[in-house]
Amino acid sequence: AQTVTQSQPEMSVQEAETVTLSCTYDTSESDYYLFWYKQPPSRQMILVIRQEAYKQQNATENRFSVNFQKAAKSFSLKISDSQLGDAAMYFCAYNSGGSNYKLTFGKGTLLTVNP
Amino acid sequence: SQTIHQWPATLVQPVGSPLSLECTVEGTSNPNLYWYRQAAGRGLQLLFYSVGIGQISSEVPQNLSASRPQDRQFILSSKKLLLSDSGFYLCAWSPQPNQPQHFGDGTRLSIL
Repeated sequence: AQTVTQSQPEMSVQEAETVTLSCTYDTSESDYYLFWYKQPPSRQMILVIRQEAYKQQNATENRFSVNFQKAAKSFSLKISDSQLGDAAMYFCAYNSGGSNYKLTFGKGTLLTVNP
Repeated sequence: SQTIHQWPATLVQPVGSPLSLECTVEGTSNPNLYWYRQAAGRGLQLLFYSVGIGQISSEVPQNLSASRPQDRQFILSSKKLLLSDSGFYLCAWSPQPNQPQHFGDGTRLSIL
């Protein structure tokens, strides 16, 4: 079974600085999808970024980018120019693709942004 | 654009009482629908998913059930709630299985 591990329960960053959140996963599949979701105190789950495993290019969405290392099964999220509104719980998630509907989540990393 | 509505936002129920949480999606047809539970300090656990009307798949055997009476309506139910059913319940939808899932605002369920 696929597993997703986020080894950092909590992280903090100064406003305007850069922070990287770690995620590793275990799978025997060659084609799959990875996601980062953000859950602010309001608890709504918001998609941050998506990466297809067959794409070598790392996904980028404005200040958010990923470092996808397929061989190492690593999928870290980098947040540049951190803003107070970035404070949230961040979840890494895995989907094995095809007709598989299951999204497997990590336990999350709580990010604090200090002014 | 597509929107997802989930209600109620908060619910306090006694042990042994029934439960009905509702989720509807607007602006799309034949969505894939999902129910998740999030325990305190943990990630999301998939409870049910549905690929069409009347088609429900259960991921975790438990005290809960799901139904999809209409294309864009997904209901989470229980006949008798247990203390362990407390948690934060999220409904989500996606256009395809491996496409990003979009979540509702969630229901905080407390069992007394």
